[in-house]
Amino acid sequence: KNQVEQSPQSLIILEGKNCTLQCNYTVSPFSNLRWYKQDTGRGPVSLTIMTFSENTKSNGRYTATLDADTKQSSLHITASQLSDSASYICVVSDRGSTLGRLYFGRGTQLTVWP
Amino acid sequence: EADIYQTPRYLVIGTGKKITLECSQTMGHDKMYWYQQDPGMELHLIHYSYGVNSTEKGDLSSESTVSRIRTEHFPLTLESARPSHTSQYLCASSGGQGSNTGELFFGEGSRLTVL
Repeated sequence: KNQVEQSPQSLIILEGKNCTLQCNYTVSPFSNLRWYKQDTGRGPVSLTIMTFSENTKSNGRYTATLDADTKQSSLHITASQLSDSASYICVVSDRGSTLGRLYFGRGTQLTVWP
Repeated sequence: EADIYQTPRYLVIGTGKKITLECSQTMGHDKMYWYQQDPGMELHLIHYSYGVNSTEKGDLSSESTVSRIRTEHFPLTLESARPSHTSQYLCASSGGQGSNTGELFFGEGSRLTVL
């Protein structure tokens, strides 16, 4: 069964600290993996898109990694800010086109305290 | 920011009422989607469209219906709302010629509460 599991379910950190969010998937065949950020009461916004051949990709203070062999991805946030408080959703696609099916994780709820 | 808009943002209605959630995008995307999201749960696909006059049901069974008469417009309708329909509804679009990443662009969502 194709699944996407995220951990932890929720996380609280102090402003300025780093954190790492995990995403494990069983989706096959794998096409690509995306991390989205969803602020409370808003729609998700894409942070990174990673294909099979990519191991690391950065977007400002966000760095995503992908290990296609172990089917794991992580999202590392450096020097967290209050505005990083949001839900981070891992989404895996099983084909290389927009016709591919998407599998969503339940998200990690990150809270950054001052 | 993505050019995809949903109205209303919030709606509280009584049981049995008919409602339409509007979704419009100005990016020229062929593919549009409706997702349902409950707190702490993953997004569930309820409807999608690959172009004008094309609509399909998603993975999650829904009593809602959709239409796609124009590329930019993808409204969702509930003929008779029930409390079980209370949820957050997210509209999204993707594609564009030559695109194969499948990145979704989401609207801000419509939070529906049925009393």
